[in-house]
Amino acid sequence: ETGVTQSPTHLIKTRGQQVTLRCSSQSGHNTVSWYQQALGQGPQFIFQYYREEENGRGNFPPRFSGLQFPNYSSELNVNALELDDSALYLCASSISSVGNTEAFFGQGTRLTVV
Amino acid sequence: AQKITQTQPGMFVQEKEAVTLDCTYDTSDQSYGLFWYKQPSSGEMIFLIYQGSYDEQNATEGRYSLNFQKARKSANLVISASQLGDSAMYFCAMRTESGGYNKLIFGAGTRLAVHP
Repeated sequence: ETGVTQSPTHLIKTRGQQVTLRCSSQSGHNTVSWYQQALGQGPQFIFQYYREEENGRGNFPPRFSGLQFPNYSSELNVNALELDDSALYLCASSISSVGNTEAFFGQGTRLTVV
Repeated sequence: AQKITQTQPGMFVQEKEAVTLDCTYDTSDQSYGLFWYKQPSSGEMIFLIYQGSYDEQNATEGRYSLNFQKARKSANLVISASQLGDSAMYFCAMRTESGGYNKLIFGAGTRLAVHP
């Protein structure tokens, strides 16, 4: 196990609703990245948080937002859910946002939008 | 454009045999890292092996080795002595650093089935 935990593991939401996914990073890691993995595809980078601030973002609309807390845990919020938001959401923590660092992944949250 | 290509949607291998999973990459960065992850049906991305762009020797981790050919921009994963538990999705990923932060770019993955 990596020490990165995500909750909940599964979630069903209705189109138009809002959802919050949570990630506890590995001890000593100050950087959390979020990825979206649609069915049958590789993960896509959503954004990264470093020391409580967003420091990088992929090609996702503003209704995808996040937070990082002083203990470096993180939340991913998605507003106005669409059917295409159905995916596995993966959180990865690392010891730094730059350099030769390995990312440790959680087990993911499987979101279904109906 | 930075991209990872995995051309094998699915692969089959007999237990105890070796298998090679292909990965090619495209980047203009001088410094980058290449990763292979295993993803079982549970969803977690399990780190297997890492190769840095300046590493001269191919990386090895137990039964996993990475055949790194920089000029051809390929980073194939070789699994020796396949086991039934190796059946899973395998993703090749490249770490890029732009705008002051690292991110991973993943390929589409290869589903490996190990037969007894």
